[in-house]
Amino acid sequence: SQQGEEDPQALSIQEGENATMNCSYKTSINNLQWYRQNSGRGLVHLILIRSNEREKHSGRLRVTLDTSKKSSSLLITASRAADTASYFCATSVSQGGSEKLVFGKGTKLTVNP
Amino acid sequence: DVKVTQSSRYLVKRTGEKVFLECVQDMDHENMFWYRQDPGLGLRLIYFSYDVKMKEKGDIPEGYSVSREKKERFSLILESASTNQTSMYLCASRLQIYMGAHSNQPQHFGDGTRLSIL
Repeated sequence: SQQGEEDPQALSIQEGENATMNCSYKTSINNLQWYRQNSGRGLVHLILIRSNEREKHSGRLRVTLDTSKKSSSLLITASRAADTASYFCATSVSQGGSEKLVFGKGTKLTVNP
Repeated sequence: DVKVTQSSRYLVKRTGEKVFLECVQDMDHENMFWYRQDPGLGLRLIYFSYDVKMKEKGDIPEGYSVSREKKERFSLILESASTNQTSMYLCASRLQIYMGAHSNQPQHFGDGTRLSIL
């Protein structure tokens, strides 16, 4: 089963509103990352939060991490039409001496002008 | 800025063909990755490479192989293409601080290759 699960699967809001996406995971992590994907394109890294951090900001983005609940949230404030994309959380896990990212299935965000 | 370039955006091949997908990065990153992305399944790791001539199987390596002869280039090979390998393929690279440590570094992705096997 997926390590990371985003919620909701889809979100539609008006320009100027805030968008909140959640991610839950199952095992211990090294860090958690959020990526954005515009339709038909590759993923773009947004923000990385380490397992010993609780909150991180980058511009209009705010990420929180609660390792006791094994969950994270991504908040986009004052959304714009250009924020329309799919957003993925990815957990960095160590397995058998290797370190890899495990992606969730994503939240599709639509920001209406 | 890191640039990860995948050789083709769209590719159409026939069942049974040997297919090569190429990926080049320009930032001297040690680690490189190949994923496939399918609706409802998200991104799944096929193979990754920690450094030149090194490779490790990911979650779904069956039917694929890889080659990393030079640091900047990581090739994915479909030995005998089948219709269930129709997918979006994404390559990524990552700076590795040092072996064995947690690399608190992001992955940088190419734009993807949409591969259709007929």
